[in-house]
Parts: sequence; structure tokens; C-alpha cells
Amino acid sequence: KAGVTQTPRYLIKTRGQQVTLSCSPISGHRSVSWYQQTPGQGLQFLFEYFSETQRNKGNFPGRFSGRQFSNSRSEMNVSTLELGDSALYLCASSRGGRGDEKLFFGSGTQLSVL
Amino acid sequence: DAKTTQPPSMDCAEGRAANLPCNHSTISGNEYVYWYRQIHSQGPQYIIHGLKNNETNEMASLIITEDRKSSTLILPHATLRDTAVYYCIVGNAGNMLTFGGGTRLMVKP
Repeated sequence: KAGVTQTPRYLIKTRGQQVTLSCSPISGHRSVSWYQQTPGQGLQFLFEYFSETQRNKGNFPGRFSGRQFSNSRSEMNVSTLELGDSALYLCASSRGGRGDEKLFFGSGTQLSVL
Repeated sequence: DAKTTQPPSMDCAEGRAANLPCNHSTISGNEYVYWYRQIHSQGPQYIIHGLKNNETNEMASLIITEDRKSSTLILPHATLRDTAVYYCIVGNAGNMLTFGGGTRLMVKP
């Protein structure tokens, strides 16, 4: 069974631009969550989508947004990029239950903002 | 979510058991204890989780104290490939995990 796939693997953008990252979950998984990882802040939860609806949201500004399609694939968008947005963005999928769930992470998209 | 406290780093000899401690003194009754690990430049990998009872799978064992205020992850025979950052997380919203700093485990030959 294929794992969680994130594209692209690497991305370089300049300040002020916007970027869209893609995540394909494991087949049959309906929940997709996104995390940002930086050396200074560690791994931080961005948001979670389940059945095309945002179910949970972390403490990030509105420049960070996402969506989920009917096939459970998800995209996240960052508008008006800032230098501090340089990070590894990780996507994780699960069946979508609560509590007793394990997450399967992709390898991430490494975003560099110049 | 409750917070966890882990030692920032640990060493272990190859072939020996690695015992990674985690304190979660403010855990609430319906919160699970999860362990994930992250090898450099990869996404975190699920290891094991539990609620009250000790758990074992093909990767590791999880020992949770009776008062649930602490737990220990045991890798029975550590190999060089187990060198990674290990995260102990508590919560009850399986998809919304709060990661702390983790323990950087170095397995040495």
C-alpha cells in the first residue's frame, strides 16, 4: 500500500510570493493534517481536514490555508511568503477517527523563502 | 493537550535495550500516550501508543505507570538505524498532536 505522498519535495520562493503544496494520503484515509517544522519552533500543528471540512486548526495566521478534495487529497497554501515561513512542511494521514489513531507522515516539502 | 518532559539526549550501545523516559504529570483520563520517532530529513514515524495498559508491538514496548504520570519506551535491541529523535506525545485528538522537543537517541557501535 502506497504511503503518504507530498509534492514537490523541495521548493524555493521569494518573499511576497505564494505557494501551494500537495499531499496524497494513504488510500482509504479520510483525514489529512499538516505540520510545520522549523529548527527554532519544532513541529507545530497547522490544521486538519476530514471529509473536505477543516476540523481542527492550529495557531497560525490566515496566510496559511488549506483544502481537501473529495478523493481526500489535500493542498495547503501560503500567501505573501515571509522569510520565517522557510520550513519543512509535513502532511499526515489517518483513517479519521478520534483518540485512538496513528498518523502516517509523508517525507515533507522543504520550502525555502529568499 | 498535556505537556511532556523528555531528556534532550541519550546514548545507547548497539544491541542493548534503549529505555526512553517521558513525564506527563498533567495527563487527563481520556488522553493517550503516543510515541513517534523522526530520522533526519524524514517525516515522523509512528511507533506505539497506549491508554492505561502496557503495550508491545514489533518495534517497541510501552510501559505506562499505574498513575499514568510517566511512561517508558523500550527498544529491546537497539540498532544503528534506531538513531533518531523520539517524541512522546499525549492527547486525545489523534490527528492534532502537540510535539515537544523529543529525545535525541544516539545508538553507538
